[in-house]
Amino acid sequence: QQQVKQSPQSLIVQKGGISIINCAYENTAFDYFPWYQQFPGKGPALLIAIRPDVSEKKEGRFTISFNKSAKQFSLHIMDSQPGDSATYFCAARTYTGNQFYFGTGTSLTVIP
Amino acid sequence: NAGVTQTPKFQVLKTGQSMTLQCAQDMNHEYMSWYRQDPGMGLRLIHYSVGAGITDQGEVPNGYNVSRSTTEDFPLRLLSAAPSQTSVYFCASQNRGSPLHFGNGTRLTVT
Repeated sequence: QQQVKQSPQSLIVQKGGISIINCAYENTAFDYFPWYQQFPGKGPALLIAIRPDVSEKKEGRFTISFNKSAKQFSLHIMDSQPGDSATYFCAARTYTGNQFYFGTGTSLTVIP
Repeated sequence: NAGVTQTPKFQVLKTGQSMTLQCAQDMNHEYMSWYRQDPGMGLRLIHYSVGAGITDQGEVPNGYNVSRSTTEDFPLRLLSAAPSQTSVYFCASQNRGSPLHFGNGTRLTVT
């Protein structure tokens, strides 16, 4: 059973456009929601993260929107660049268990 | 500061062979974990450790063993490799409440 559901599986965006990746969860014990970025041949690296007491967090061109009542969160990449082409994973963690549950990943391609 | 180091980067095994995937971290993190990454499946937790001498099973532990004799090292053992274990394996470390730091992975093929 997938604890965190991620969509879409793949995404193609023109340079300068907005990339949006969505995730949903059911476990209300999750208290930390990170996004990881992975380039080919590399391990995932933390991109941005949010806790459920805020509805939005922005770091440069990357924004997480969080809807606690709907149990959904999304990653928005503004002014998408070819260098953003990578696989993105959402994740969730319960503080007590300290275990991370990952979405299935989104392969983003930004066309010049 | 090397972070999380995994060896080897690539490995090909025949069915039934055994091997150990190595993982070392130099950040003095208490938690270490192993994930496997398969297309369309995301990252799934195999085993994890909350400190030296303490290990526990994750979501997909069958066919794998781990031990944690030091804070720095967390090897993953395949006792009898099967084609279903063909995957990319990632080791990660963290301190409690902090983000995961991943190594660059080991790509394993079992024929």
